[in-house]
Amino acid sequence: NAGVTQTPKFQVLKTGQSMTLQCAQDMNHNSMYWYRQDPGMGLRLIYYSASEGTTDKGEVPNGYNVSRLNKREFSLRLESAAPSQTSVYFCASRTGMAYEQYFGPGTRLTVT
Amino acid sequence: RKEVEQDPGPFNVPEGATVAFNCTYSNSASQSFFWYRQDCRKEPKLLMSVYSSGNEDGRFTAQLNRASQYISLLIRDSKLSDSATYLCVVILNTGGFKTIFGAGTRLFVKA
Repeated sequence: NAGVTQTPKFQVLKTGQSMTLQCAQDMNHNSMYWYRQDPGMGLRLIYYSASEGTTDKGEVPNGYNVSRLNKREFSLRLESAAPSQTSVYFCASRTGMAYEQYFGPGTRLTVT
Repeated sequence: RKEVEQDPGPFNVPEGATVAFNCTYSNSASQSFFWYRQDCRKEPKLLMSVYSSGNEDGRFTAQLNRASQYISLLIRDSKLSDSATYLCVVILNTGGFKTIFGAGTRLFVKA
């Protein structure tokens, strides 16, 4: 089992460019999450998907969109990147039966 | 006020030392509690759950004080490999479940 995988690992964008961060899990988990992590702050939830076909906003959704493509995949899109979106992005998943979340290795994004 | 607060540290301790971290939470609807560990430039991973009666996993002991709204993590006989950031995590039950992550406490264990 690969667990939760994310691509790319690193990305540099210019202000205004767009990109999609990919996430996939092979644990048959129902729920998937996108977080951002900034220095001195806890992980902040951007969007989540409680099950295939549903998505909901988290704490900091502005400037992002998501797609739950199928049970395995949950992508995060930045339509017009801004320097404030420079961060480390983590995807996570969990079953519906327990609270533990399993995280991907993260994507380090820099917007110049 | 942050919903989950931790001392960011860093805590610098020698190998073999005992070190303790506290985490306070503000919402009385907090239902479940966990400690995660995050190594430098890596993803967070579950370290242990925290139960009301306190629980131990090898050199690690976690405790919950609901009256004072804090949880603690005690590490005995610190190892170099314990160097990491420890995240306090609280699950709120406010109709739906919400997971709140603390910003973490950094620990450096020195030889």
